[in-house]
Amino acid sequence: DAGVIQSPRHEVTEMGQEVTLRCKPISGHNSLFWYRQTMMRGLELLIYFNNNVPIDDSGMPEDRFSAKMPNASFSTLKIQPSEPRDSAVYFCASSLGSQGGTGELFFGEGSRLTVL
Amino acid sequence: GIQVEQSPPDLILQEGANSTLRCNFSDSVNNLQWFHQNPWGQLINLFYIPSGTKQNGRLSATTVATERYSLLYISSSQTTDSGVYFCAVRGPGHSTLTFGKGTMLLVSP
Repeated sequence: DAGVIQSPRHEVTEMGQEVTLRCKPISGHNSLFWYRQTMMRGLELLIYFNNNVPIDDSGMPEDRFSAKMPNASFSTLKIQPSEPRDSAVYFCASSLGSQGGTGELFFGEGSRLTVL
Repeated sequence: GIQVEQSPPDLILQEGANSTLRCNFSDSVNNLQWFHQNPWGQLINLFYIPSGTKQNGRLSATTVATERYSLLYISSSQTTDSGVYFCAVRGPGHSTLTFGKGTMLLVSP
């Protein structure tokens, strides 16, 4: 079975540009999470969706960040405009359960973003 | 929210040695997972173990939920075991996992 699929794996962009990261969760999973990992802050939860509805976006750093989940098999995380401090690895993860539930969480391979 | 503490923060082993990593948490949980982040950055599921004991090859894990800790055992360590090991927990009524800061393991040949 395919795991969580993220694209792009690597992105290098210049400050001010728009960045879109994409995620396809495991088929059948109904919860999707976006995390950011940096050396300074470790793993941070940005936002999570349950049944395509955003449940908690309190981790989204600021208005430059937005996330959508138009259907059960696709989500995007957008940064506009990007800044050098957004450089990080962004992980998407999915699980099965209600409101995040007790289901096992599976991560994608991450998207490494570098903003120059 | 739930507090998660992992120990030790760093560990250096010779290939072939055994090790025990510990995860303490501050409240009852209904989900506990161990992950390995390899040197390439991939987060790999090791165990989903809110209670009890599981084994997978050279790795095993035990969670004693009533005493609020979990242990990850690595036997006959190999260089490919190097990386960071994360414990993550979720409590009843919570929707997301809380991660510990991880244990960084280096296995030298």
